[in-house]
Amino acid sequence: DAMVIQNPRYQVTQFGKPVTLSCSQTLNHNVMYWYQQKSSQAPKLLFHYYDKDFNNEADTPDNFQSRRPNTSFCFLDIRSPGLGDAAMYLCATSKTSGDTETQYFGPGTRLLVL
Amino acid sequence: GQNIDQPTEMTATEGAIVQINCTYQTSGFNGLFWYQQHAGEAPTFLSYNVLDGLEEKGRFSSFLSRSKGYSYLLLKELQMKDSASYLCAVRQYTGGGNKLTFGTGTQLKVEL
Repeated sequence: DAMVIQNPRYQVTQFGKPVTLSCSQTLNHNVMYWYQQKSSQAPKLLFHYYDKDFNNEADTPDNFQSRRPNTSFCFLDIRSPGLGDAAMYLCATSKTSGDTETQYFGPGTRLLVL
Repeated sequence: GQNIDQPTEMTATEGAIVQINCTYQTSGFNGLFWYQQHAGEAPTFLSYNVLDGLEEKGRFSSFLSRSKGYSYLLLKELQMKDSASYLCAVRQYTGGGNKLTFGTGTQLKVEL
């Protein structure tokens, strides 16, 4: 089945230690998104790739970076995680043109910062 | 900017009908989505409205009034598994494409 896959599902890191979260998709969607969701809050868009074009949200901290080496994969790099970065990180994909451009989400990676 | 409001929590009885409201203020409106999110899981797509009116999909229906900035999600024949958070999300067209902004969600509890 076509899907959005995130690894790992749970990630524990230390304060200040760089961490990378990964997302892959078999939907062949051209847009990929990263969201941060804290407990009882709305998912917050960090950035997205429209094909190869990177679009950063104005309020996304510089601590958060992203890479998209090809259509299928997208990575979220947190250069120096702080305690406030503990959250669920959601990857989503969508396809532009011809349909509703619905975003489909992966299962998420829950990040714990010690 | 955008402002999306929905009730924080609701309680309903198994087998009943519940309506979850969402109001929004936005520029460049380009569609409204409803997602279901169980605790600790990713949001799953439920419905999409871009024109005024009602969209029905099995036990779930969603309504949109663009002039009023208002939508609701209607859940019929409630089941215990419907206990979840329901997120209203507004899509806004920006210069760089479409952007989805989520409300904080309505936590629905279905009781016997």
